[in-house]
Amino acid sequence: GAVVSQHPSRVICKSGTSVKIECRSLDFQATTMFWYRQFPKQSLMLMATSNEGSKATYEQGVEKDKFLINHASLTLSTLTVTSAHPEDSSFYICSASPGGTSTDTQYFGPGTRLTVL
Amino acid sequence: AQKVTQAQTEISVVEKEDVTLDCVYETRDTTYYLFWYKQPPSGELVFLIRRNSFDEQNEISGRYSWNFQKSTSSFNFTITASQVVDSAVYFCALSEWEYGNKLVFGAGTILRVKS
Repeated sequence: GAVVSQHPSRVICKSGTSVKIECRSLDFQATTMFWYRQFPKQSLMLMATSNEGSKATYEQGVEKDKFLINHASLTLSTLTVTSAHPEDSSFYICSASPGGTSTDTQYFGPGTRLTVL
Repeated sequence: AQKVTQAQTEISVVEKEDVTLDCVYETRDTTYYLFWYKQPPSGELVFLIRRNSFDEQNEISGRYSWNFQKSTSSFNFTITASQVVDSAVYFCALSEWEYGNKLVFGAGTILRVKS
């Protein structure tokens, strides 16, 4: 149980285009989902917390208008990188949690590698 | 403030050796949770263990064991009789009750197991 999928696994796009990444919890309902960014050989940095039916909470320094998050259902959250630039190239990972407290383990998706040319 | 320190950037061992990955954390909260995740070359983070701050019992799961010591704010992870498939990046993480289940990750330790 506790399987999280991400799509696409890899995407290459031109500078200035927008890219949408989907995160799905396959066998449980996720009231909370999280989006992380990981640069090569570095740790994961939390970008935002996505709660079903409400606005996402962004971490300090993360541009809300650049990284649009939509958590429209209990099994799907999307991250849209708008007007992507080469510096947005990174590994984006989502996680899903059945609840919204510290008692709930986060289960991670396989990640999406974004390359902006 | 929350902080997780994994001082070992990279460890190399030969197969069948035992290896311990260190994790030291900082928190002001009395209720918190500690985690270990494994990230193999494929990139997907695999959940290994969760420990709450009120349970200091050490845990063993097959070749894996964890030593939680509140007195030293450490949550170390030992792999016994390491195997090549254990090669991965291992992350220690912390979440505090006050901040919901937002995870703060350590920098990670790269483990290379050579045959």
